[in-house]
Amino acid sequence: DGGITQSPKYLFRKEGQNVTLSCEQNLNHDAMYWYRQDPGQGLRLIYYSQIVNDFQKGDIAEGYSVSREKKESFPLTVTSAQKNPTAFYLCASSMSSGSNTGELFFGEGSRLTVL
Amino acid sequence: GENVEQHPSTLSVQEGDSAVIKCTYSDSASNYFPWYKQELGKRPQLIIDIRSNVGEKKDQRIAVTLNKTAKHFSLHITETQPEDSAVYFCAARGLTGGGNKLTFGTGTQLKVEL
Repeated sequence: DGGITQSPKYLFRKEGQNVTLSCEQNLNHDAMYWYRQDPGQGLRLIYYSQIVNDFQKGDIAEGYSVSREKKESFPLTVTSAQKNPTAFYLCASSMSSGSNTGELFFGEGSRLTVL
Repeated sequence: GENVEQHPSTLSVQEGDSAVIKCTYSDSASNYFPWYKQELGKRPQLIIDIRSNVGEKKDQRIAVTLNKTAKHFSLHITETQPEDSAVYFCAARGLTGGGNKLTFGTGTQLKVEL
């Protein structure tokens, strides 16, 4: 069953701790993305990767880090430097990073709460 | 970079009425404009998209219009039904500054009342 899987679905963290959110896709998509969703602010891009071993900062990259060692995987680390990490995080993928890129396929999201 | 504004933030309509959501974008080089629907507790899903070489696209009860000169695009839902209740996001793909990324609007909470 093809798709994009995020884990964990819910995560609680103490202040000062780093946490890593997993994102795996078996759609053979080249491009992967991380968005943050906050009430009233839509979806804001954190990082994106158009190809393995390469990634670019989005609009709100401060306090986050990513890696893209495999085509299928694009984990996001929320570091202690992120001032307001409590949010809903969405991972997405798309077929190509070229000019004809179409639909984004989203995972079900991970809700991070900092205690 | 690209900036997308979306209005209204909330919209309430009676079942059977039409709903219109409007978005503006800033990057005149943007060439792809999708609309996503997010039902409560679920992931966003693409419902319709339009590319910059056309002015209108329709899919059953849903249509999108694009005015490149004014840099705005709109989602039109006719004969609304309760299952249309959701948050709708517009987005634009800007090319200025490199990369190939979507910038989303802030979302519209649509409520279809019986």
